[in-house]
Amino acid sequence: DTAVSQTPKYLVTQMGNDKSIKCEQNLGHDTMYWYKQDSKKFLKIMFSYNNKELIINETVPNRFSPKSPDKAHLNLHINSLELGDSAVYFCASSLQGRGAYEQYFGPGTRLTVT
Amino acid sequence: AQKITQTQPGMFVQEKEAVTLDCTYDTSDPSYGLFWYKQPSSGEMIFLIYQGSYDQQNATEGRYSLNFQKARKSANLVISASQLGDSAMYFCAMREPYSGAGSYQLTFGKGTKLSVIP
Repeated sequence: DTAVSQTPKYLVTQMGNDKSIKCEQNLGHDTMYWYKQDSKKFLKIMFSYNNKELIINETVPNRFSPKSPDKAHLNLHINSLELGDSAVYFCASSLQGRGAYEQYFGPGTRLTVT
Repeated sequence: AQKITQTQPGMFVQEKEAVTLDCTYDTSDPSYGLFWYKQPSSGEMIFLIYQGSYDQQNATEGRYSLNFQKARKSANLVISASQLGDSAMYFCAMREPYSGAGSYQLTFGKGTKLSVIP
């Protein structure tokens, strides 16, 4: 049973296109996240949703738009793709709170913009 | 200023020996959590161990232990009896309150690449 799944795993597209990455978790978590990992392996949070509400929105171009249709899904839509968007995008989920609530990560989506 | 600092971009360790991966952090909040994640070459992020700021004892999980020194703001990961499968990137991360939103965010260090030599 996959805990956090992402589709697609690989995405190759041209500059200017619009693309979406889907994420689903079956852990019953109330919070989901999108992270970007750049070519130097640096992992930075982009967005976080708690119970379908946006709670973290880091400095990300507004070409990136997250959408959470329900607590188990958090999709990422990217408009007008640029070369600098090439990276690995990770979805994650967790419970919210002060406890030892580790984040469970999806397998990642490697986006290549040509 | 960096919130999480991992000063070792790369480390080598002989198989079966122990290795310590360094992590220092910076926060003014008294309530925070520290995590270590492993990322093998296959790319997935694997949770290893957690230490809460109020935990009195150092966390341990199998061959992993966390050397938590609160006054020095360090949370080093110790891997005992290294195995070839331990070769991976290791990330230290800190969970702290996200300002004004009543929620928490995870900030990652830049990672340490560990290579285990047979």
